[in-house]
Amino acid sequence: AQTVTQSQPEMSVQEAETVTLSCTYDTSENNYYLFWYKQPPSRQMILVIRQEAYKQQNATENRFSVNFQKAAKSFSLKISDSQLGDTAMYFCAFMKHGSGNTPLVFGKGTRLSVIA
Amino acid sequence: GAVVSQHPSRVICKSGTSVKIECRSLDFQATTMFWYRQFPKQSLMLMATSNEGSKATYEQGVEKDKFLINHASLTLSTLTVTSAHPEDSSFYICSARDSAGIGTGELFFGEGSRLTVL
Repeated sequence: AQTVTQSQPEMSVQEAETVTLSCTYDTSENNYYLFWYKQPPSRQMILVIRQEAYKQQNATENRFSVNFQKAAKSFSLKISDSQLGDTAMYFCAFMKHGSGNTPLVFGKGTRLSVIA
Repeated sequence: GAVVSQHPSRVICKSGTSVKIECRSLDFQATTMFWYRQFPKQSLMLMATSNEGSKATYEQGVEKDKFLINHASLTLSTLTVTSAHPEDSSFYICSARDSAGIGTGELFFGEGSRLTVL
C-alpha cells in the first residue's frame, strides 16, 4: 500500500516570501502521479500542481513549483511570492497509474498561514 | 475545468434517521467516483470507490450497510448514511475523474457536505 507523509503540520510565511512544504511517499510502483491540493476555509479542494513520475522535469504553475526527487521519494512544494490568499491546508497526494478507478491517497496535510 | 456538484452542502439530522448526499459531474461523464470523509483538522480518508452500474468497493473498516452508495448513471453517485448517529458527523467529499481524461490522473472534487447528527 502507498503512504504519503507530510511532516509539517503547520507553517507560516511572511507575505511576498517563499515557503517550501515537504512531502515524502512510499510506493513500489514505478508509474504514478503526485499532486498538491489546496483546501481553503471553504473546504473546496483545489488542484495546485501535478507531476507525472516518468517526467524528470519538475512541474511549475506560476508561483508554485515542485522539487520531485524520485529516488528519494520526495515531492516538495515551493510557493514563491506568497500571498494572503495562499493561506490554506495543503495536501500532498499520490495516485498510481492505471485505470480510472485508482483513488488519490492523501497525506495528513500542512496548514499554511501567510502573514501580512 | 470540470465541475462536480455536491448537495446538500450542509445537513442536520436526528439520530436514527437516514441522509442522502448527491454527487453530480456537471459537464463530463464519470465512470468512477470516490467518496472521502474528513474529520476536523484531519486529512481525507477514502471510504469507497463508486463504479457506474456496479457495486461500490468499500475500504477496510467502512460499513457498506451503513454507507450505501449508488452510482446509477455516468453523472450521478449518491451516498446514503443510514441510521445516522452522532459519530457519523463529519465532512463528506465526493470526487470524480473524467472518463475521457483518465490519462491526466486529475480528480475533480465536489464542494463537500457537512453532516451533523444530533
